[in-house]
Amino acid sequence: NAGVMQNPRHLVRRRGQEARLRCSPMKGHSHVYWYRQLPEEGLKFMVYLQKENIIDESGMPKERFSAEFPKEGPSILRIQQVVRGDSAAYFCASSHGRSSNTGELFFGEGSRLTVL
Amino acid sequence: GESVGLHLPTLSVQEGDNSIINCAYSNSASDYFIWYKQESGKGPQFIIDIRSNMDKRQGQRVTVLLNKTVKHLSLQIAATQPGDSAVYFCAENGSGGYQKVTFGTGTKLQVIP
Repeated sequence: NAGVMQNPRHLVRRRGQEARLRCSPMKGHSHVYWYRQLPEEGLKFMVYLQKENIIDESGMPKERFSAEFPKEGPSILRIQQVVRGDSAAYFCASSHGRSSNTGELFFGEGSRLTVL
Repeated sequence: GESVGLHLPTLSVQEGDNSIINCAYSNSASDYFIWYKQESGKGPQFIIDIRSNMDKRQGQRVTVLLNKTVKHLSLQIAATQPGDSAVYFCAENGSGGYQKVTFGTGTKLQVIP
């Protein structure tokens, strides 16, 4: 299955700890997007990355959150010093790239972060 | 604020009937409008999109209608099946040259057997 792979699926952290969420895009996709979804709400755009570049991080909180997409390996969403309000499902999506900007994103199954 | 929103949070439909899910948008500059389906515990799944210069597009059992005059988008599902039970999100893709998709808050579709 060459779909978008996210891990871990579930992550529990205590306040003040760090959370690292990983995402491997679909084969052949070089564009990665991270979204956050609170319970009973829609998905909120966080950041858009290409290999080794952050293109748009307008939805990312200025503090404690960072994202990267290295030349080799998965994309990483990192949340430092987690607080209870960070509890959410974090979804990664990928796409072919600029040539197909119809809005069709391929999503992973999400990583559900619970902060105690 | 949100540029895409939904009229109804929950819709209950009898199996076999047609479903209509509505959505209002405010960003007239969007290139594409999209519908996604999200089943419980899963990631969103692309259903269908429509370019802003079109008013209707059909897929398999689904039709999307776009009314730019009143900034309204709808998803019609023919012969609704139990497997259609999910949350449906309308979304829009801006004109920024990449896939910055903005999602609405969702409508939960419940299919009654």
